Amino acid sequence: QQKVQQSPESLIVPEGGMASLNCTSSDRNVDYFWWYRQHSGKSPKMLMSIFSNGEKEEGRFTVHLNKASLHTSLHIRDSQPSDSALYLCAASDTNTGKLTFGDGTVLTVKP
Amino acid sequence: GPKVLQIPSHQIIDMGQMVTLNCDPVSNHLYFYWYKQILGQQMEFLVNFYNGKVMEKSKLFKDQFSVERPDGSYFTLKIQPTALEDSAVYFCASSLGDWGSAETLYFGSGTRLTVL
Repeated sequence: QQKVQQSPESLIVPEGGMASLNCTSSDRNVDYFWWYRQHSGKSPKMLMSIFSNGEKEEGRFTVHLNKASLHTSLHIRDSQPSDSALYLCAASDTNTGKLTFGDGTVLTVKP
Repeated sequence: GPKVLQIPSHQIIDMGQMVTLNCDPVSNHLYFYWYKQILGQQMEFLVNFYNGKVMEKSKLFKDQFSVERPDGSYFTLKIQPTALEDSAVYFCASSLGDWGSAETLYFGSGTRLTVL
């Protein structure tokens, strides 16, 4: 069973719009969440990480975490065509720290 | 930012042959990883490596797989013999600290392996 689930599988937003991506872990032994962005044919690059309940903002990107429900979300405001990519959520195990990735959300920003 | 280099970017081989994928991790990093990605989707953990030893491996890390990093050289993933289902993009990653320290993993650009 997939331990890190992301939704939606794909998302299309207009340029300038808001993109919201979701990620939930079914493994209770998770304490850190990471968001990676992978452009087509490129390597995943770490976008943001979050460890504490609440919200973290960096520029146009905001990450929320609810540790009780093990749910994190990534919000991109004023989306740009260059934001079009595969967004991978990863969760790390409290005991081992092992990183497990979700299937990803393909974001397309239409000009 | 820190860069992980992978060579080659693309490799095509016949089923049953041996292949070696090379990774040059970030210079001061101590922990090394291989991930497998099929069809641009989920990144699946294969193995991590520290101080000359495999620390953890997944069920995807078959007996035909091996990793090593001789002093001063590349961190390598060797598959011998290859099978059709080994076709994928293999990403190398490195980090300064281990899993438990929640260090950021830095990924290379991947080697696309095609097994015919």
